[in-house]
Amino acid sequence: GAGVSQSPRYKVTKRGQDVALRCDPISGHVSLYWYRQALGQGPEFLTYFNYEAQQDKSGLPNDRFSAERPEGSISTLTIQRTEQRDSAMYRCASSLSPTPYIAGSDNEQFFGPGTRLTVL
Amino acid sequence: QKEVEQNSGPLSVPEGAIASLNCTYSDRGSQSFFWYRQYSGKSPELIMFIYSNGDKEDGRFTAQLNKASQYVSLLIRDSQPSDSATYLCAVRSSNFGNEKLTFGTGTRLTIIP
Repeated sequence: GAGVSQSPRYKVTKRGQDVALRCDPISGHVSLYWYRQALGQGPEFLTYFNYEAQQDKSGLPNDRFSAERPEGSISTLTIQRTEQRDSAMYRCASSLSPTPYIAGSDNEQFFGPGTRLTVL
Repeated sequence: QKEVEQNSGPLSVPEGAIASLNCTYSDRGSQSFFWYRQYSGKSPELIMFIYSNGDKEDGRFTAQLNKASQYVSLLIRDSQPSDSATYLCAVRSSNFGNEKLTFGTGTRLTIIP
């Protein structure tokens, strides 16, 4: 595809329900990242993958949050037993290479349009 | 202390003037620094990255890095109304091979025609 895509774009759910947010990275991009962005704030790191391997999940707030990327392409961020404080914009990004320390490489992270999650 | 700090603004600059955006970071081992632009309701997009101390210029944009002072800035020359956006400073993890970015809260810039 032309860019990172995310679905759904908007999700309204009731407190206590589980939600699954999907990210489809740019074709060929090895690395995939999940961020959460509250209104008026910068993106906050949640987790990221190189291929199918989860490299860092230190940003996941608690064990209700999980992510997977089983085939090294599409990723799903799952939030179980949602709470109102989970309401935010969830952004996915992808980058080409897992090895940025190549001369001249910026390993740019390209962001998707985000999923706006509202928990009632 | 926040890991990445920015003045939240808003910062208002007349059209044609220079806009100066500032960012400080706490992890002295950080090596890679990024400026993203985010229009209202849109996703962040990368406009500059810098690794080495000094200045890096790209068109009307100049990024400046001072690792000793843990300070990075973005200058926008000949500011245009289309530059009105929130500018996010981001720092890559200092752990080798870890790609996660830590963002500041962003500075909202308004260019006044």
